[in-house]
Amino acid sequence: GQNIDQPTEMTATEGAIVQINCTYQTSGFNGLFWYQQHAGEAPTFLSYNVLDGLEEKGRFSSFLSRSKGYSYLLLKELQMKDSASYLCAVRDLGNRDDKIIFGKGTRLHILP
Amino acid sequence: ETGVTQTPRHLVMGMTNKKSLKCEQHLGHNAMYWYKQSAKKPLELMFVYSLEERVENNSVPSRFSPECPNSSHLFLHLHTLQPEDSALYLCASSQDAGAPREKLFFGSGTQLSVL
Repeated sequence: GQNIDQPTEMTATEGAIVQINCTYQTSGFNGLFWYQQHAGEAPTFLSYNVLDGLEEKGRFSSFLSRSKGYSYLLLKELQMKDSASYLCAVRDLGNRDDKIIFGKGTRLHILP
Repeated sequence: ETGVTQTPRHLVMGMTNKKSLKCEQHLGHNAMYWYKQSAKKPLELMFVYSLEERVENNSVPSRFSPECPNSSHLFLHLHTLQPEDSALYLCASSQDAGAPREKLFFGSGTQLSVL
C-alpha cells in the first residue's frame, strides 16, 4: 500500500532551527517533494529530492534516504512567516503510471 | 500569485444544487489537476488532464464531473453533493503530467460547504 507519515503539529521559536520528518512506504519511488501551505492559501513548491543526500536552498534544506524511506525538511533562522503547514509528497510509480501522493501535512507554529 | 486562478473562493450549496468550480492557468502548462483537501486528511487526487484528455480518474463519485475545454481551463461540475463533500478543492497545473521532476502549481482553492 501507500503511506506517508509526518507529525501533525510542531512548535518552534523564532530564530531557531526545526526539522520536519517524513517517512514513506510506496510501491515505487520517483522523487519526493516538500510544499508549504499558509492558511487559506495555495500550496507552494519548496524542494524536490530524487537522489540520496541533502539539497540546500537558502534557509531551507531537504534530505532524502531512499533505503530508509525517509526525508526531512530543515528550516533555519526561523521567521514568523514560516508558520504554515508543510506537505511531504512522493511521486509513486504505480501500475499504470506515476502519481503524486501527499502526506497529511505538518502544521508548524512559530513562537516569538 | 502562482499563475493558477480559482473561482469562487468560497461556495455554500445545498444538496440539491448544481454548481461549477472554475480554474484557469496562465503558465502555458499542458496538465491540470483537481485535488480535494479535507481537514486532517491528505490531499486527494481526483482528476488529471493532460493536453485536454482525462488521464486519471481516482474512483471519484459521479456527482463530481470534470471538464477541460482547453489546456488553460478546467471545471468541476457539482450536483447532488453530500455534506461529507465539504472541503477545500484545489486546482493545480504542471508543464507535463508524467515527467518525474514536474512540480505542481496550485491555485488558492475553493472552500466548499454543503448544507
